[in-house]
Amino acid sequence: SQTIHQWPATLVQPVGSPLSLECTVEGTSNPNLYWYRQAAGRGLQLLFYSVGIGQISSEVPQNLSASRPQDRQFILSSKKLLLSDSGFYLCAWMSKSTDTQYFGPGTRLTVL
Amino acid sequence: AQTVTQSQPEMSVQEAETVTLSCTYDTSESNYYLFWYKQPPSRQMILVIRQEAYKQQNATENRFSVNFQKAAKSFSLKISDSQLGDTAMYFCAFMKPFNAGNMLTFGGGTRLMVKP
Repeated sequence: SQTIHQWPATLVQPVGSPLSLECTVEGTSNPNLYWYRQAAGRGLQLLFYSVGIGQISSEVPQNLSASRPQDRQFILSSKKLLLSDSGFYLCAWMSKSTDTQYFGPGTRLTVL
Repeated sequence: AQTVTQSQPEMSVQEAETVTLSCTYDTSESNYYLFWYKQPPSRQMILVIRQEAYKQQNATENRFSVNFQKAAKSFSLKISDSQLGDTAMYFCAFMKPFNAGNMLTFGGGTRLMVKP
């Protein structure tokens, strides 16, 4: 069966510091991968998606970036965090044969 | 562009009762998928149910079922025999297949409280 991991689970960072959040998927190959952000009490905002290694599409211009160095690894980064980057970050994967997205446990990021 | 609307920000139901959450969407597509996701206090998004638009039969997963009305662009979720563990945010979502990235469009969510 497929599983998706995210780490860290919780992160507190000062403004201006760098960021690296990691997402890995097991038990599948060539998945679509997604990064979402969710502010408290709000819906999900799609940040990036990837249909293959090295292929990244950005949905929202911001100071975040994403990379996919391996088939089942998706990384969200920032060189300098802003207060507005605080939120809950969810990674998701999708099997191209089922057109269904499955989400990881999420990372709660607080920027102070 | 597609839009998804959940008109009930909050709902409550007594344990063991039945509750229906509403969702409407707007699209010009004829082939698409609809989903309900549950987000409990842990905040992990959990797939509840999936419906393919070309299938007339309403999807069912144990106590969860949908009423899919394609002409009306309505996709409601019925939870039978509500349990305390059903307390969560529920999100309705739309996906157009075969588009770039197969992106989901989410509604704003409905917060459901199951009361003992």
